[in-house]
This record gives sequence, structure tokens and C-alpha cells, in this order.
Amino acid sequence: QSVLTQPPSASGTPGQGVTISCSGSSSNIGSNYVYWYQQLPGTAPKLLIYRNNQRPSGVPDRFSGSKSGTSASLAISGLRSEDEADYYCAAWDNSLSNWVFGGGTKLTVL
Amino acid sequence: EVQLVESGGGLVQPGGSLRLSCAASGFSFSSYWMSWVRQAPGKGLEWVANIKRDGSEIHYVDSVKGRFTISRDNANNSLYLQMNSLRAEDTAVFYCAREGTNRAGFDTWGQGTLVTVSS
Repeated sequence: QSVLTQPPSASGTPGQGVTISCSGSSSNIGSNYVYWYQQLPGTAPKLLIYRNNQRPSGVPDRFSGSKSGTSASLAISGLRSEDEADYYCAAWDNSLSNWVFGGGTKLTVL
Repeated sequence: EVQLVESGGGLVQPGGSLRLSCAASGFSFSSYWMSWVRQAPGKGLEWVANIKRDGSEIHYVDSVKGRFTISRDNANNSLYLQMNSLRAEDTAVFYCAREGTNRAGFDTWGQGTLVTVSS
């Protein structure tokens, strides 16, 4: 059982948009930044969004992040086949003094 | 090029020990917090431990406290994870990850090393 809650799966067709949610609590998302990671099949995770809504250089602006209260979302617009991957949210948890991850969302591009 | 390369994984019996290493290059290693993150087969990511730039502050996930020890050697740009009393549930790919400055998240990851705990 992960501290952060994500839907296990999401899907969309090429060109469409999709949103992945991440729910936490006051000790993690509610008081700290949220991060998103993309893990393509068979590869190491890659930072996609940092500090709630910032994109590292090289990440397309089709990817955007937002946070409100104890929840966060990752939005992907203009879906492409190469976006098919697992997506994880993460935050520091002040009560645990741990980094915590969501269980991951498997995105399928139909 | 910023790079992290893990080594030391392998097959170990339950109750055994293993020491993972992570060689860092292409950046000022001593300027960054470092973490170990693991992923059991077919499962999600789980953060394991992290260590401050100078080694003066360390945190662990509860499930490994008392069994795993994270350490670093800034002179040799290396991160370590000593794992004792290994259990079947510790079977995972272990990733070394750099925590970016200014709360930039895990901005660099290694390729991972597989640890299998089985008799």
C-alpha cells in the first residue's frame, strides 16, 4: 500500500489528452513539492516534473504538473505512442522523514 | 556527462549480505544528497535511503532500518548500500539516484543493479 495514491492505469488515443492523479496527505503533498517520473519499459525512471510544475530541459511542454492541497496531477496533451510508460508521483513526507512514491500509473496509448 | 553506475548486485541466500556500489562521474558528487531507490519485479518504485552531502544526515525507510546501511566516499565519488539480513522481499532492482539541488527531485538515475534473495 503506497503512501501516495495513483490510479493503476490510464489510456488515451494518439493526439488526445490524459490526466493522472496523485493523492496524498498534509504531511507529504500538502506541505512539500510534488515530483513526477516517467519509466519506459525496461529502463530507469526519468524526472519529468519537479517542484509541482517545472519541466527539466528536454521534457516536452506536452507534459504539465499541478498541485492543489493534498493532491496533484500530471497532464499529458497530444498523446504519442512513445508516451506509453509507467508514471510515478513522489513527495517528501515530513512525518516519516522519507521520500514516498505513488504506486504508479501504467499509461496505454491505444 | 553526468553518470551513475551501480554494481554489486547478484544472487544471495536469505539472511545473507551484499554491498552495492554506485560510481558517480561528471558532477561534483560531494555537493549532492544521494538516494537508493528499489523496484521489486513487476512492482512500483520504493525509496530506500538517502544521505546528506557530507554524510552527516541519513534517513531510511522503516522496512530496512537496522539491516541496511547507506554510506558515501566523497573522495572517490562513490555511494554504497550495505545490506544485511536479506529477505526474499528485498529482491529488486536497486537504483542509485542523485537528488538535485534546490529541491529538483531525483534528477539523475543509474541503470540499476538486480538483487535476488533466494535459496
